[in-house]
Amino acid sequence: GAGVSQSPRYKVAKRGQDVALRCDPISGHVSLFWYQQALGQGPEFLTYFQNEAQLDKSGLPSDRFFAERPEGSVSTLKIQRTQQEDSAVYLCASSSHGTYNQPQHFGDGTRLSIL
Amino acid sequence: ILNVEQSPQSLHVQEGDSTNFTCSFPSSNFYALHWYRWETAKSPEALFVMTLNGDEKKKGRISATLNTKEGYSYLYIKGSQPEDSATYLCAFRSSNTGKLIFGQGTTLQVKP
Repeated sequence: GAGVSQSPRYKVAKRGQDVALRCDPISGHVSLFWYQQALGQGPEFLTYFQNEAQLDKSGLPSDRFFAERPEGSVSTLKIQRTQQEDSAVYLCASSSHGTYNQPQHFGDGTRLSIL
Repeated sequence: ILNVEQSPQSLHVQEGDSTNFTCSFPSSNFYALHWYRWETAKSPEALFVMTLNGDEKKKGRISATLNTKEGYSYLYIKGSQPEDSATYLCAFRSSNTGKLIFGQGTTLQVKP
C-alpha cells in the first residue's frame, strides 16, 4: 500500500506482559515518529527517527518503552512489563526528507488495552 | 513546557453553517503550525502546514490563518457539511526540535 501501515490494529495484553507494535512508513520517507494518544487528548510525542538514528526520545514515558528502526525503514515500539496506564492508541507517522515544513502522514494506529 | 491549546473542545452546527476554531501556541521559537483532520476509524489527514506570519491557506471550503507574533491560528469551514464531522487537531513545531506538540483537538459534529 501507499500509506503508513501499523500492526496490529488492536492488541490486548495482561498487565506485566511485553508487547511490540510495528510501523511500516511510506517508502522513501526518512523521518518516522511515534505518538501516544489517550482518550480525549491529542497525540503526545514519544520519539522520532531520521533514517536509523533515533534523534529524540524525550517523550518516552519510562525505560519500559523502547523504539528501534535498525535499517531505516520499519520501526518497532516495544513496551516491557506493561501497566494499565499504557492503554492508549499508538500512532506512527512518517514524512519525507527535507525541512521541517513537511506534513506527517499517519497510520491508523494500534489500540492497546492492558487488562 | 510547550503548551498548545484548542478551543472550543467540541462544536455542534447545522449543515450549511460556517464555523471556526482557534489554536494557541507559544510565540517564541516558532517553526511551523500544522492542521490535521481526524475522522473516526481513520488516520489523521494533513490539511495545512503553515510557516509564515500572516500566511493564509485554503483547501476547498476550509481555510486557515496564522499569527506567529501573538501565537494563534484560526481554522474556518465555510458551509459545513456532514462529511466535515471530525476532530481537528493543530500541532506546533518549534525551531529547535523535530517533534510536533499537539493540541487536544476540536471535535466538530455537523447535523444534516
